[in-house]
Amino acid sequence: DTGVSQNPRHKITKRGQNVTFRCDPISEHNRLYWYRQTLGQGPEFLTYFQNEAQLEKSRLLSDRFSAERPKGSFSTLEIQRTEQGDSAMYLCASSPPAGTYNEQFFGPGTRLTVL
Amino acid sequence: GENVEQHPSTLSVQEGDSAVIKCTYSDSASNYFPWYKQELGKRPQLIIDIRSNVGEKKDQRIAVTLNKTAKHFSLHITETQPEDSAVYFCAAPIGFKTIFGAGTRLFVKA
Repeated sequence: DTGVSQNPRHKITKRGQNVTFRCDPISEHNRLYWYRQTLGQGPEFLTYFQNEAQLEKSRLLSDRFSAERPKGSFSTLEIQRTEQGDSAMYLCASSPPAGTYNEQFFGPGTRLTVL
Repeated sequence: GENVEQHPSTLSVQEGDSAVIKCTYSDSASNYFPWYKQELGKRPQLIIDIRSNVGEKKDQRIAVTLNKTAKHFSLHITETQPEDSAVYFCAAPIGFKTIFGAGTRLFVKA
């Protein structure tokens, strides 16, 4: 499968614990996005990478959230001191380098449940 | 503000009828407007997109129209089929961000 992959697919954690998710984009895509989606809502933008540079981060994102893309390939999203309100589907998407804006290819998501 | 408003939130049509979903965006600099379809339990997938240098784009039963002056764009699905039932999201870029609408749940009744 050459699409976007995300691991784990499901994560259950207790409030206060730290969690880390991984996203592997399509290999030739240099643009990578993280979103959060709750039931009945559209994807909510969290952060954007172009190659290894994090060029945009949502103001809605608290300091508990951090993302990295150290070699411009896979990316990780870490949530520290999780809260019940963090329960959501975390989606990763990647996009090819050509042009300014292009189709985003989404991964299957990581569903986080904070107890 | 940075927002994309999408209407209606729910749309129910009879098979064979047309469906129209509308979105309004806030940033006049936005120049790319995709529509994604998300089936239950699956990831969003692009169905059609339009760039600001054209006013309309068609792909078989799906079309998108753009009115840059009014800052709104619409998705049109003709001859709807039960497999069109899903949630549809519009989106618009603001800088490096992509802002999605809240979604429209489309039900196509056989």
